[in-house]
Amino acid sequence: QVHLVQSGAEVKKPGASVKVSCKASGYTFTTYGMHWVRQAPGQRLEWMGWINGGNDNTKYSQKFQGRVTITRDTSASTTYMELSSLRSEDTAVYYCTRDDSYAYYWGQGTLVTVSS
Amino acid sequence: DIVMTQSPATLSVSPGERATLSCRASQSVSNSLAWYQQKPGQAPRLLIYGASTRATGIPARFSGSGSGTDFTLTISSLQSEDFAVYYCQQYNNWLTFGGGTKVEIK
Repeated sequence: QVHLVQSGAEVKKPGASVKVSCKASGYTFTTYGMHWVRQAPGQRLEWMGWINGGNDNTKYSQKFQGRVTITRDTSASTTYMELSSLRSEDTAVYYCTRDDSYAYYWGQGTLVTVSS
Repeated sequence: DIVMTQSPATLSVSPGERATLSCRASQSVSNSLAWYQQKPGQAPRLLIYGASTRATGIPARFSGSGSGTDFTLTISSLQSEDFAVYYCQQYNNWLTFGGGTKVEIK
């Protein structure tokens, strides 16, 4: 059974960085890529970026280019999303979702609050 | 970027009635279109992929149609557990989500 378990909620100050993890289980980690999607309060879901399952190739949304970095640790079956230069508008729930083209498997979400 | 537009923003429906939700893409996405249901405090749940294929465990009252730029999600007879927000998503060119349709009790 596929599970994606994310790290816990974070509170950060403006200008800081946050790193959210997503640990996968129940499948061969290197077979599937991983997307990161966020949802600000009352807003639509927003794609941030993706990392390839078989190598470290990444693709980022133009909106987050330069601020987001997605990495992985295959030995730990874990994907990471780091967002830098945080501002209040980055307050959101961040999700990892396995790349099945569409998004069948989702992490439980990680709330990141940016507040001074 | 492909822009996904959903209508209406809110749909008021009585239990047992049919609900029809629309989604339009700014350019063709072929049939690379998925629908999700989201309830407060939960991650989205995949309902439909490939524009018309129900995901595992999804009841037959949910159906999807369309291709190219215009898509429809139909819920044939609304149950109490169906009142939620519904999002469409294209995956033809990375991922883009629509703004959502909230289905509320009339």
